[in-house]
Amino acid sequence: DSGVTQTPKHLITATGQRVTLRCSPRSGDLSVYWYQQSLDQGLQFLIQYYNGEERAKGNILERFSAQQFPDLHSELNLSSLELGDSALYFCASSAGGAGGNTIYFGEGSWLTVV
Amino acid sequence: AQTVTQSQPEMSVQEAETVTLSCTYDTSENNYYLFWYKQPPSRQMILVIRQEAYKQQNATENRFSVNFQKAAKSFSLKISDSQLGDTAMYFCAFMKHSRGSQGNLIFGKGTKLSVKP
Repeated sequence: DSGVTQTPKHLITATGQRVTLRCSPRSGDLSVYWYQQSLDQGLQFLIQYYNGEERAKGNILERFSAQQFPDLHSELNLSSLELGDSALYFCASSAGGAGGNTIYFGEGSWLTVV
Repeated sequence: AQTVTQSQPEMSVQEAETVTLSCTYDTSENNYYLFWYKQPPSRQMILVIRQEAYKQQNATENRFSVNFQKAAKSFSLKISDSQLGDTAMYFCAFMKHSRGSQGNLIFGKGTKLSVKP
C-alpha cells in the first residue's frame, strides 16, 4: 500500500459526460501528480500541483482540469468525455516540490467511456 | 526533449534465475533521476529502484540492482533469484532535476516479464 488513495476505483460513463476523480496523497506529501495510462499512449504525465499551486503541466487536454485543495487532496475533472478518454488514471504524490523526490502511485481509477 | 526506450517488449525467465531488462534514454541534462517501476496484473505502479545521475555507485534493493552507464545513457535492471511474484510489466522512467518539471516522469513503453515455474 503506497498510502495514496484514489476514488472511485472504477467508473463507467457515457460520451459527453463529466466525471471527477479524487485523490488523497500520502500523509505529509505536498505534491500531487496525475498520470494517464492508455493502450495507445502509454503512461503520460498530465499535471502536478504543489501545496495548492500548479507546478508543471504535461499533455493535459483543455477538457481536463485539476486542482489541489487546502487539505492537499486533489481532484481531476474530465468533461465532454470521448471514447478515447477511456484509460487508467493514476494519482501520485511526493514529499516536496524540488527535484528528486520519489513519486508514489495510487491504485488508479479505471474510466470507461461508452 | 527526453525520451526513454525499452527495446524488449516481452521477456521470460525461469524461477530462481537472473534476468536483465534494458533501458536507454536520451537527454541533454546533466542532473536527473532514473527509476524502475513495476506494474503487476493488479495494475498498481510500484517503485522498484531509483538512481541519482550524480551517483556513480549503482543502486541496489535486495534482489534488484541496476547497471547505470551515464555516458552510454543506459540504465538496465537486473533481477536475481527471480520469483513468481516478479511477473509484471516493468517501466523505466526518467525525471530531470528541475523545479518546474519535477513531476514529469517520462516513461518507456515497458517490458512484460514472465517468471516461469
